[in-house]
Amino acid sequence: DGGITQSPKYLFRKEGQNVTLSCEQNLNHDAMYWYRQDPGQGLRLIYYSQIVNDFQKGDIAEGYSVSREKKESFPLTVTSAQKNPTAFYLCASSMRGDTQYFGPGTRLTVL
Amino acid sequence: GQQLNQSPQSMFIQEGEDVSMNCTSSSIFNTWLWYKQDPGEGPVLLIALYKAGELTSNGRLTAQFGITRKDSFLNISASIPSDVGIYFCAGQLFKAAGNKLTFGGGTRVLVKP
Repeated sequence: DGGITQSPKYLFRKEGQNVTLSCEQNLNHDAMYWYRQDPGQGLRLIYYSQIVNDFQKGDIAEGYSVSREKKESFPLTVTSAQKNPTAFYLCASSMRGDTQYFGPGTRLTVL
Repeated sequence: GQQLNQSPQSMFIQEGEDVSMNCTSSSIFNTWLWYKQDPGEGPVLLIALYKAGELTSNGRLTAQFGITRKDSFLNISASIPSDVGIYFCAGQLFKAAGNKLTFGGGTRVLVKP
């Protein structure tokens, strides 16, 4: 089946720890995106990548890092510098300039 | 970052009713998208609009791309219980950095008790 997968579905982290969220797509999409969603709010862009080995900061990149070593993978690391990391994280992908399709999301809770 | 103004923020529906929601922006967009999100899931694309004035339907859903390119609406006809969820509008500007989407704050559709 083609699609976007995110793992894990739920993630718990102790304060001060880094954690990496996985996003994989087998749609042969060039571009991939990470969004953050807080309760009752819309989506805010963290990072995006239009091509392998290149990525750009979105609107709320502070405290996050990414890599794009393979076309199908775009992992997001939530670092200890992110002051309020508890949120729902969504990955999306698209052909360049085309509609974005979303994964199922990862809910991160910091204990 | 900019967010679109989406209204209403929430609404209650009764089965069989028609519902309507809209998004407005101070900036123009080349594309308007409407997504639906169920609790704990990722948004699913409902309708994409690519041309000012375009009216597009997908089953019981109808959406329009405003002629000024600064607004869009979504109508749901004859609502059913599974229409419950959060609906998001998103605008996209071609050749903007990363072809980024700008999202509205969402319209939460609930069932009347």
